[in-house]
Amino acid sequence: GENVEQHPSTLSVQEGDSAVIKCTYSDSASNYFPWYKQELGKGPQLIIDIRSNVGEKKDQRIAVTLNKTAKHFSLHITETQPEDSAVYFCAVLGSSNTGKLIFGQGTTLQVKP
Amino acid sequence: EAEVAQSPRYKITEKSQAVAFWCDPISGHATLYWYRQILGQGPELLVQFQDESVVDDSQLPKDRFSAERLKGVDSTLKIQPAELGDSAMYLCASSLGWLNIQYFGAGTRLSVL
Repeated sequence: GENVEQHPSTLSVQEGDSAVIKCTYSDSASNYFPWYKQELGKGPQLIIDIRSNVGEKKDQRIAVTLNKTAKHFSLHITETQPEDSAVYFCAVLGSSNTGKLIFGQGTTLQVKP
Repeated sequence: EAEVAQSPRYKITEKSQAVAFWCDPISGHATLYWYRQILGQGPELLVQFQDESVVDDSQLPKDRFSAERLKGVDSTLKIQPAELGDSAMYLCASSLGWLNIQYFGAGTRLSVL
């Protein structure tokens, strides 16, 4: 089955710096790659997603890049702010013709003021 | 903004007892998912419904877990009997269809003593 690896597990940056989180996946047929942000005590919230017909997508300070050949995709957060501190999960929609998302293990991002 | 509603938010129970969790998806969402999230890990799909039908329950421990969505709207997930290893966050998500964005509720945190 699909396997998703996410790195790093923890990331600490100074306010204003950039943060990058990377994920690799195993199933070349996968075609939908969302990123979720989870704050303490809350459910995951979608922050950006990308489909396999696009190489890059940007939304203000957040961007996602996809390399289908290498089977990896990355989340880029620029000009980080303390409120960006949270756990971030990448996910991959499996190729099983259901809505099953396979999640990475998560990255705890700490933005220091 | 419409949200996925879950209750209770927290549940403490003793092993061998029965527990039930409830989820009300966003109105009009045909697809409903139950995920389990163990502390420090990403969510894992337990069961997926399309309207009232189960689409994927391959990861649901059917000897003790059951899920239903009788009228194709709200859903209940039950565990009987609960075991220590069931302690986790149980997340409900919904989407218009299985290819659409999944929106998560705040979850039910279960502690089995």
